[in-house]
Amino acid sequence: SQQGEEDPQALSIQEGENATMNCSYKTSINNLQWYRQNSGRGLVHLILIRSNEREKHSGRLRVTLDTSKKSSSLLITASRAADTASYFCATRGNTGGFKTIFGAGTRLFVKA
Amino acid sequence: DAGVIQSPRHEVTEMGQEVTLRCKPISGHNSLFWYRQTMMRGLELLIYFNNNVPIDDSGMPEDRFSAKMPNASFSTLKIQPSEPRDSAVYFCASSRGQTDTQYFGPGTRLTVL
Repeated sequence: SQQGEEDPQALSIQEGENATMNCSYKTSINNLQWYRQNSGRGLVHLILIRSNEREKHSGRLRVTLDTSKKSSSLLITASRAADTASYFCATRGNTGGFKTIFGAGTRLFVKA
Repeated sequence: DAGVIQSPRHEVTEMGQEVTLRCKPISGHNSLFWYRQTMMRGLELLIYFNNNVPIDDSGMPEDRFSAKMPNASFSTLKIQPSEPRDSAVYFCASSRGQTDTQYFGPGTRLTVL
């Protein structure tokens, strides 16, 4: 299985602090994506990083990818209460029909 | 663009009944995915289509589940007969190509009593 596994499972921080979430996977990938899910809502795509990229930025988000360690991290800088949500990494393989596998997610709580 | 549309948003039914979930993907997207989300198992890919053809249905739990995509703008996921353990949120997602970003619908919360 190439399932992404997020770490930590839950994270509670103060508004203004940075939040870092990690994802590990098992097999080679085509790309890795991060999604956010607010309670009771669908998943919203945040950022996609391809296997030949090492770092990507989007606003307050920074994603890194280390294919040698089969891991990725999502950094949210200057967090806001509105960032409270679950964050999932999803890996898309190179084989097996390009199936996307989602991890169990990290629940982030940002206290105002 | 209206995004991915799913109906119904909530469904409560009794064990043994047939349940049909519907999805309209984003216009121009060629791939469509059905997922199920539960607390215990997280988000699971059930089946996905590319150009209306089922590509991978290995995630479909059992024969009670079936999915169709008769045209590029409509797909259904049917459970017959439904069981309490099928209670979950079912998401539909679409993407332009098989490896592109997936856009999720709001989900259908299914409760089987």
